[in-house]
Amino acid sequence: EDQVTQSPEALRLQEGESSSLNCSYTVSGLRGLFWYRQDPGKGPEFLFTLYSAGEEKEKERLKATLTKKESFLHITAPKPEDSATYLCAVMTTDSWGKLQFGAGTQVVVTP
Amino acid sequence: NAGVTQTPKFRVLKTGQSMTLLCAQDMNHEYMYWYRQDPGMGLRLIHYSVGEGTTAKGEVPDGYNVSRLKKQNFLLGLESAAPSQTSVYFCASSYSTVLGPQHFGDGTRLSIL
Repeated sequence: EDQVTQSPEALRLQEGESSSLNCSYTVSGLRGLFWYRQDPGKGPEFLFTLYSAGEEKEKERLKATLTKKESFLHITAPKPEDSATYLCAVMTTDSWGKLQFGAGTQVVVTP
Repeated sequence: NAGVTQTPKFRVLKTGQSMTLLCAQDMNHEYMYWYRQDPGMGLRLIHYSVGEGTTAKGEVPDGYNVSRLKKQNFLLGLESAAPSQTSVYFCASSYSTVLGPQHFGDGTRLSIL
């Protein structure tokens, strides 16, 4: 059975304190791994798609990396506006376009 | 740019009542999806559509029906609401199953008493 597990469940950071979120997956075949950001009361907002091990993508203070078993979302020198829940999702080779989501990591960045 | 719009934003129902949630997208996307989000469980796919006039079951379809009569609209119906259907419902759309990311609306918060 395909599984997506995110850790930690919650993370509290001081402004400027860099950290990483983990998304580990067990799937039959990976077509793509997606990262989303979700603010309270809002829908998920797309950040990155990673397709193959070794791939990296960056956007402002966020950098996503992918291995054959997990993905990391690195937050460098976070600011309070980076506070959100970060979701990862996988699309497998036999699930046609359907995403399987992890439960998310809630990040709080304090000034 | 409106993107994906969901109506209503909030609703309270009594057990056994029926209702329809509306999702509208203005991006000319072919694919549309309905998810539910519950605490600690992540988003789960209810039903999806690969184009106008098509629908298919997702991971948790029981108790829900959908229709896609127009390309831009995707309706989610609850025939006889149950307390277990209390959740936040999200609609999403994409232009490609793989290359295009899914774009989400801001959700409908549904409580069933």
